[in-house]
Amino acid sequence: GAVVSQHPSRVICKSGTSVKIECRSLDFQATTMFWYRQFPKKSLMLMATSNEGSKATYEQGVEKDKFLINHASLTLSTLTVTSAHPEDSSFYICSAYSGGARTDTQYFGPGTRLTVL
Amino acid sequence: AQSVTQLDSHVSVSEGTPVLLRCNYSSSYSPSLFWYVQHPNKGLQLLLKYTSAATLVKGINGFEAEFKKSETSFHLTKPSAHMSDAAEYFCVVSDRGGYQKVTFGTGTKLQVIP
Repeated sequence: GAVVSQHPSRVICKSGTSVKIECRSLDFQATTMFWYRQFPKKSLMLMATSNEGSKATYEQGVEKDKFLINHASLTLSTLTVTSAHPEDSSFYICSAYSGGARTDTQYFGPGTRLTVL
Repeated sequence: AQSVTQLDSHVSVSEGTPVLLRCNYSSSYSPSLFWYVQHPNKGLQLLLKYTSAATLVKGINGFEAEFKKSETSFHLTKPSAHMSDAAEYFCVVSDRGGYQKVTFGTGTKLQVIP
């Protein structure tokens, strides 16, 4: 139980294009999802917190117009990197949280490796 | 405010010997603490968590951690390292449970020598 998937697992795109990454909670309803970015050999940096049906809350320094987050349902959140540039290349990881019976643990997806050429 | 410090960026042990990965935290409230493991090019897997119940927490794959409030520590241990334990380990703190923002440590890379 408590499985979170991400799609795609890796994507290569040209500079200037947009890329959408999906995060799904497969066996539970996630009231809150988080998006993280991980640079090589570094820890995870929280980008934004996404609650179902409301606007995402972005961390300081994260461009909300560049990293569009949509949490349309209790099992799906998407991150769209708009007009991607090489500096956006990174490992993006989502996590999903569900209170109640699932307690208070965040469950992480397997990550998406984005490479912008 | 919350923070977490992983005291060692890299730990190397021989297969079959004990593992100790150190973590100290700072929290304004009663914290929840987690250890996650990340294998190369993979996502994070929850090893164990402390959420104000028993101070000695047992996790998967033989790992355990002890919450010591007086020392503000949550060190991860395993009696006998296995080659498959080689990975990056993250200590994570949350002030009010995992649904709030969590703070990651900088990670400890565990190397297991055959």
